[in-house]
Amino acid sequence: DQQVKQNSPSLSVQEGRISILNCDYTNSMFDYFLWYKKYPAEGPTFLISISSIKDKNEDGRFTVFLNKSAKHLSLHIVPSQPGDSAVYFCAASKHLHPGTYKYIFGTGTRLKVLA
Amino acid sequence: GAVVSQHPSRVICKSGTSVKIECRSLDFQATTMFWYRQFPKQSLMLMATSNEGSKATYEQGVEKDKFLINHASLTLSTLTVTSAHPEDSSFYICSVPDWGGNTIYFGEGSWLTVV
Repeated sequence: DQQVKQNSPSLSVQEGRISILNCDYTNSMFDYFLWYKKYPAEGPTFLISISSIKDKNEDGRFTVFLNKSAKHLSLHIVPSQPGDSAVYFCAASKHLHPGTYKYIFGTGTRLKVLA
Repeated sequence: GAVVSQHPSRVICKSGTSVKIECRSLDFQATTMFWYRQFPKQSLMLMATSNEGSKATYEQGVEKDKFLINHASLTLSTLTVTSAHPEDSSFYICSVPDWGGNTIYFGEGSWLTVV
């Protein structure tokens, strides 16, 4: 049972345009969400997070939107740059209380930004 | 700089032997660390939660006798793949949550190839 889904395995975007990566989840108890970027043969690097008490969080070129009723979140990258080409994972967690959380990852979306 | 260090980055071992992977938290003490496994073109699969001073918590379907986890100190967790077989060949990644659990930092990952 895949609780966190990224239905688009790949996405190609022109440099300078907006990249929109989507993530859906099934467990309404998830209350904290992260986005990670991963290059081949490297560990993921943290990009941005959002708590369920918010519907938007912005950090530079990266903005994450959360729609709790639809159990959907999206990562917007604008403007997209060739260096953004990587695999992006969303992750969800239930913050029951400190020390007991664990993150469930989506299957990833490979973003390719074309120069 | 790196928050989590993982070693070795690549290891090749013979079938039937055991391999140990180390995960070190460089910036802060961690009572909890997570071990993930990633198959090619698939998501990060949580294998187990490493707990300092107590037994690890394994996810369903993960053999605890095969994947031995030791969290002997607040900065070091080890994963030992025992009696390795070719199907154990994979990319193994550890992660460390920050104090509030709002972010998890990943190690660089370890490529294991069993021949």
